[in-house]
Amino acid sequence: DQQVKQNSPSLSVQEGRISILNCDYTNSMFDYFLWYKKYPAEGPTFLISISSIKDKNEDGRFTVFLNKSAKHLSLHIVPSQPGDSAVYFCAASSPGNTGKLIFGQGTTLQVKP
Amino acid sequence: DTEVTQTPKHLVMGMTNKKSLKCEQHMGHRAMYWYKQKAKKPPELMFVYSYEKLSINESVPSRFSPECPNSSLLNLHLHALQPEDSALYLCASSQDAGSYNEQFFGPGTRLTVL
Repeated sequence: DQQVKQNSPSLSVQEGRISILNCDYTNSMFDYFLWYKKYPAEGPTFLISISSIKDKNEDGRFTVFLNKSAKHLSLHIVPSQPGDSAVYFCAASSPGNTGKLIFGQGTTLQVKP
Repeated sequence: DTEVTQTPKHLVMGMTNKKSLKCEQHMGHRAMYWYKQKAKKPPELMFVYSYEKLSINESVPSRFSPECPNSSLLNLHLHALQPEDSALYLCASSQDAGSYNEQFFGPGTRLTVL
């Protein structure tokens, strides 16, 4: 049972435009979410997080939106740059202070010059 | 210093070899993690250490043996591995194992088992 889902395996956008990556979750107990970016043969890099007490968190070109009623979050990248081309993983922090992250399957973003 | 380092970067080993992966962080983090990642898949949690004690073992085969010698170091001892264990092994750390902490990942060790 996949508790965190990224239904789009890939996304292609033009440089300078907005990239929107989506993530859905099923467990209503999740209350902290993270986005990671991963280049091939490297470790994931933390991008941005959001707690369920907020519906938006912004850091530079990256904004994460959380819709708790829909159990949906999205990552917006504006403007997109070719260096943003990578795999993006959405993750939910498992309740209970275990340290466990539940990852989605990832979305490969390609930003074309 | 906001970095998690891992050595070696690449490792090739036979099924009868014994080897170790090493991970180090100097951020004062008290939780450290081992993950395994196969191509085009998300990281898969193997072990969690919290305050130098093993708190989670995700039913990992005993041919993988973790060790936390101190709060900055994490090792993964490998013995009698199988070719299907070939993967990218990632170490991560966080302030503690609480639910509201970001995990910071190292660059990984690319392991090939022949």
